[in-house]
Amino acid sequence: QVHLQEAGPGLVKPSETLSLTCTVSGTSISSHYWSWIRQPPGKGLEWIGYIYNSGSAKYNPSFKSRVTISLDTSRSQSSLKVKSVTTADTAVYYCARGGRWNPDWGQGTLVTVSS
Amino acid sequence: DIVMTQSPDSLTVSLGERATINCKSGQSVLYSSDNQNYLAWYQQKPGQPPKLLIYWASTRESGVPDRFSGGGSGTDFTLTISSLQAEDVAVYYCQQYYSPPYTFGQGTKLEIK
Repeated sequence: QVHLQEAGPGLVKPSETLSLTCTVSGTSISSHYWSWIRQPPGKGLEWIGYIYNSGSAKYNPSFKSRVTISLDTSRSQSSLKVKSVTTADTAVYYCARGGRWNPDWGQGTLVTVSS
Repeated sequence: DIVMTQSPDSLTVSLGERATINCKSGQSVLYSSDNQNYLAWYQQKPGQPPKLLIYWASTRESGVPDRFSGGGSGTDFTLTISSLQAEDVAVYYCQQYYSPPYTFGQGTKLEIK
C-alpha cells in the first residue's frame, strides 16, 4: 500500500521560502511521477507541478518561477520549495503519486503565511 | 490554461436517488491520437485529501463502487452516482490533464435531502 506523508513548517513569514518534503513508502519513488497540489482554506484545488525520476519537472506558470520540485531517491522523498511567499500562498499542500491523475495522496499539511 | 466549469455548485439529492454533476472544459480534452478524454473526477470529504474516482473520463479507479460512473467526451462530461448513499456526501471535482497546467473545476458540494 502506497503511503505519502508531507512534512514541514506550519508557519512561514512573508517573503521567505516555503519548504516541504513528502516521504513515500510502499512503492519505489523512482517508478512514478510525483505531484504537488494545494488547496487554500475553504477553496478549490490548484495544481503546482510534477516531477519524474529523470529529474524532469513541469510547473504551473502561475507561480512565475517561484516553485521548485525535486526528488531524493535515496531518502524516498519529493520536495517542494516556493520562494517569496505571500499570504496568498496559505494553503493545505498535498503531495500525490502520478503526473496526470493522482490515485494516492498524502493527508496534506497546512502552511500559513503570516508575520 | 483550460478553464473547467462545474455545475451545479451544490446539489441536494435524496438517499437512493440519482445524482449528476456536470463538468465543461474551455477546450476539448479529447486527444485525437489515442481517442482518449484526458479528464478525471475526485471526491473530497471534509478534512481528507481528494480521492480519485474516475480517469480517462469513464474508467473507474480500483475499489470505487460501481454506482459511480463517468461519461461524456470533448468538452462536456458528467459524473453520475446511480443510487446516493449517505457516505457519498462530499465535494466533487473534475480535472483535466490534457494540457499543463492541469486544472480543476471549482467543485460541486453534494448533500443529502
